Amino acid sequence: DIVMTQTPLSSPVTLGQPASISCRSSQSLVHSDGNTYLSWLQQRPGQPPRLLIYKISNRFSGVPDRFSGSGAGTDFTLKISRVEAEDVGVYYCMQATQIPPYSFGQGTKLEIK
Amino acid sequence: QVQLVESGGGVVQPGRSLRLSCEASGFTFSSYGMHWVRQAPGKGLEWVAVIWFDGSKKFYADSVKGRFTISRDNSKNMLYLQMNSLRAEDTAVYYCARDNWGIDYWGQGTLVTGSS
Repeated sequence: DIVMTQTPLSSPVTLGQPASISCRSSQSLVHSDGNTYLSWLQQRPGQPPRLLIYKISNRFSGVPDRFSGSGAGTDFTLKISRVEAEDVGVYYCMQATQIPPYSFGQGTKLEIK
Repeated sequence: QVQLVESGGGVVQPGRSLRLSCEASGFTFSSYGMHWVRQAPGKGLEWVAVIWFDGSKKFYADSVKGRFTISRDNSKNMLYLQMNSLRAEDTAVYYCARDNWGIDYWGQGTLVTGSS
């Protein structure tokens, strides 16, 4: 099974400053079809998760362009160019390449300093 | 717009059964695989089960294999999770979610609490 490891687990950030979250998978997430099914989710307090980024770097519908994803193989990064108050919550990476099982990272809590 | 509405959660004694339902709307339900994902209080996300768009394949997390059954009724746009032999550690919010080479839409969740 693929294990997803996120760092840091907690990230205090100043409003208007950038933030970065790393996700590492225990095996390559490159699918036999050439795609890499790594996505990023945001979960605001008291809310269900919401898709932000799919296939490493594609922003989902309605996601602000201050969110961006990058990476390849086993190492991936979610970046927020300028953190806003509404970005507070927990961020998860998820892999859907080598399934079952689908797997999530432990989550990274983004909070405002 | 895509909507997923779960129901059926509640308080249940360990060892008993419960069936969760998810009503889907706003998309062609029969064209998409569907998941159940759970989240224990204060914890992260745990994938539970997935069913292919036509019901032909089903996969489960090891933690629920043999106890939970995922199913769907494409004529009613409904997804189900039959949960048997419930344990205290099954206590969680259960989310219904749409598969799109990952998960693109999530329901609001339904809370299942195992308590004697």
